Amino acid sequence: EVQLVQSGAEVKKPGESLKISCKASGYRFTDYWIGWVRQMPGKGLEWVGTIYPGDSDTKYSPSFQGHVIISADSSITTSYLQWSSLKASDTALYYCARLPDAFDMWGQGTMVTVSP
Amino acid sequence: EIVMTQSPATLSVSPGERATLSCRASQSISGNLAWYQQKPGQAPRLLIYAASTRATGVPARFSGSRSGTEFTLTINSLQSEDFGVYYCHHYNYWLCSFGQGTNLEIK
Repeated sequence: EVQLVQSGAEVKKPGESLKISCKASGYRFTDYWIGWVRQMPGKGLEWVGTIYPGDSDTKYSPSFQGHVIISADSSITTSYLQWSSLKASDTALYYCARLPDAFDMWGQGTMVTVSP
Repeated sequence: EIVMTQSPATLSVSPGERATLSCRASQSISGNLAWYQQKPGQAPRLLIYAASTRATGVPARFSGSRSGTEFTLTINSLQSEDFGVYYCHHYNYWLCSFGQGTNLEIK
């Protein structure tokens, strides 16, 4: 069974760093792109970026380029989304999802709250 | 940047009737268009990909179509469990964009 299991909710202060994870199982991790999607409270879906774990090729939305880093460790079939300096506006639910044709499998989401 | 525009923002339909949701791309995107359903507190669920292909396990009452840059999701014989927010999604591995969503309410 294909599964993406994300790390738990986080509460951080502005300026702090954070790395959240997405553990994949049930398929060959290096064969599919993994995407990250943001959903701010009460709002719609926004594409953050995608990574190909096979060679770590990474693409970012212009809206997120330079503010987040997406990475993957194929030895533990896990992708990461990280920030070096969080802002209050980063408060959102973050999903990872597998991308063969569209996002066919989603993680359960990680809630990130950034508050002084 | 490719902008996906969904309409209407909210749609109220009675059970058993048909719901028609629209999505327009700001430029040609070939057929890389997906539809998702999201219910409160849940992750989105893939319904349709490649504009008209139903994902595994999706009921046949859901169908997708394309006319140029206009895409349509049709839900026939609406069921009470079909409520939620529906998003269209233009996808490539190097570029993605979502529509703003249509909130489908059951009358």
